[in-house]
Amino acid sequence: AQRVTQPEKLLSVFKGAPVELKCNYSYSGSPELFWYVQYSRQRLQLLLRHISRESIKGFTADLNKGETSFHLKKPFAQEEDSAMYYCALRPGGSQGNLIFGKGTKLSVKP
Amino acid sequence: DTEVTQTPKHLVMGMTNKKSLKCEQHMGHRAMYWYKQKAKKPPELMFVYSYEKLSINESVPSRFSPECPNSSLLNLHLHALQPEDSALYLCASSPRTSGFNNEQFFGPGTRLTVL
Repeated sequence: AQRVTQPEKLLSVFKGAPVELKCNYSYSGSPELFWYVQYSRQRLQLLLRHISRESIKGFTADLNKGETSFHLKKPFAQEEDSAMYYCALRPGGSQGNLIFGKGTKLSVKP
Repeated sequence: DTEVTQTPKHLVMGMTNKKSLKCEQHMGHRAMYWYKQKAKKPPELMFVYSYEKLSINESVPSRFSPECPNSSLLNLHLHALQPEDSALYLCASSPRTSGFNNEQFFGPGTRLTVL
């Protein structure tokens, strides 16, 4: 079965602390993995995709096929990073549908 | 124009009403999606349209009826809904349905309340 697991509902850190939001997936083929972010009262937007291997707003995520993980990391959290983060998988060859994890709410305290 | 727009922002309807949600994009995208998002839950896919044709229906009840009149518009017709259908309905679009670098752009959603 295709599944995305985000084990933490809520992650609370202090400003300047490192952050790691965990994501594990279950899929037998070659998936595409994404991180989406939803700031308060804003629309869902793409943060990162594994294929690009980029850093956006200081966040990075590496696909580890051996561990079937795609954890999101940032070395120094900022208050403006507080948001809901969703890890999503798109099965290879699929008709575009995204399978979302349940999300992790990140709260960065001053 | 690089946004997906949705109207209305909010909708309150009774169980016997008929209403429609509208989604529009002018990015030339040929894939459009409807998602349902309940409070504190992730979005769940409902429908996928590819080149104006319905390609995925995730076993959605027939009281939800999608329509794609042209490549820029996506409607969701609602009839005889139940209170448990109350949710945020998200529309998204992407250049196509498959292939890499195929980001889905989401609209702000319509918050639906069924009384």
